[in-house]
Amino acid sequence: ETGVTQTPRHLVMGMTNKKSLKCEQHLGHNAMYWYKQSAKKPLELMFVYSLEERVENNSVPSRFSPECPNSSHLFLHLHTLQPEDSALYLCASSQDRLYNQPQHFGDGTRLSIL
Amino acid sequence: AQTVTQSQPEMSVQEAETVTLSCTYDTSESNYYLFWYKQPPSRQMILVIRQEAYKQQNATENRFSVNFQKAAKSFSLKISDSQLGDTAMYFCAFMKGSQTGANNLFFGTGTRLTVIP
Repeated sequence: ETGVTQTPRHLVMGMTNKKSLKCEQHLGHNAMYWYKQSAKKPLELMFVYSLEERVENNSVPSRFSPECPNSSHLFLHLHTLQPEDSALYLCASSQDRLYNQPQHFGDGTRLSIL
Repeated sequence: AQTVTQSQPEMSVQEAETVTLSCTYDTSESNYYLFWYKQPPSRQMILVIRQEAYKQQNATENRFSVNFQKAAKSFSLKISDSQLGDTAMYFCAFMKGSQTGANNLFFGTGTRLTVIP
């Protein structure tokens, strides 16, 4: 039990499809994050939510649309993705956004764009 | 901007032996935190150890310890008595010590460690 659960574990989609990634945390945390992990590149922070409010958007293309309906759930809505968007998408949470708060990660969703 | 460099893409170690993974970073911050995360094939990123920059004493967690050289901006991870379960990708990460939010993590590219039976 990781405390942060991501579904689906794997996703294959065409460039014209619309799909969503889901993240749920059972830790009572107030901050949640989306990261993109591509091969041989550092993890890239995509979005940060604190108390359900988006507080960071690191120049992510609009084909990625996050949603945080409550502090326990985070979604990443995908539409008209490109082949270079194929990657492992990791969700994380932390107690809050104060410094030194460790982030707890899920197992990720492996996304493949055909 | 903060950068984290892991110069060893892959390493291997015999079971029960000791291995050291290197990490250097670049920052103009005076207060910050450093982390080592482990990502096994299960893909979950697991926090292994962390170090506060203001502490001179190196952090230790059981078989894991760090060699933190602040002047050299170096933060290496030593794994003693390596076990097969230590096989994973290891990521070094940096976090600013700002008191006003922004606990963003900056990651290196990772080192793939294989423990050989």
